[in-house]
Amino acid sequence: DAGITQSPRHKVTETGTPVTLRCHQTENHRYMYWYRQDPGHGLRLIHYSYGVKDTDKGEVSDGYSVSRSKTEDFLLTLESATSSQTSVYFCAISERAQGLENTIYFGEGSWLTVV
Amino acid sequence: DAKTTQPTSMDCAEGRAANLPCNHSTISGNEYVYWYRQIHSQGPQYIIHGLKNNETNEMASLIITEDRKSSTLILPHATLRDTAVYYCIDGAGANNLFFGTGTRLTVIP
Repeated sequence: DAGITQSPRHKVTETGTPVTLRCHQTENHRYMYWYRQDPGHGLRLIHYSYGVKDTDKGEVSDGYSVSRSKTEDFLLTLESATSSQTSVYFCAISERAQGLENTIYFGEGSWLTVV
Repeated sequence: DAKTTQPTSMDCAEGRAANLPCNHSTISGNEYVYWYRQIHSQGPQYIIHGLKNNETNEMASLIITEDRKSSTLILPHATLRDTAVYYCIDGAGANNLFFGTGTRLTVIP
């Protein structure tokens, strides 16, 4: 299994509170990603990083921010949590090979409930 | 949006080969085909990927048609632990993977 650790694994928070999810990798991979998974929508990319301090938005980035100050850590922050952000969040990593070969490995997920 | 088409569900008897088809008719010449699976409440697990040639690893085999418009994932001896949703994805070269709804494989004792 890829060396990816997500924390916390489960969290219940109140609407309007800030929440930070942490992803830690031991593979020294350049790329890191945050996805969310919801019934009927599958996996959707929130943000990704292609290096330290280099990040970009995915398809569902509104309401989320990210930071990557070290290669091994990628943080996802919900500045003011809303009920629509109740979801399972997956961190992923990859190290691109030549061309378009880009095998992405996923963590075990963080279950977030906003009440 | 997902660019692949897979059957919604399949059953397979334990110990038999599971053959999961996927159509990816819009795949471009330099895009890879990737297969992942997701067991309930776990993160997606990488299985195998390929470009043009058939591929085999310790988990599965991937057969890609010559025109690259479809592929088949083969689990040679399915076990109960292989029950999962299997996703076929084309083009992970972009910074994203488009997961569709996948195929729910149920391995039956």
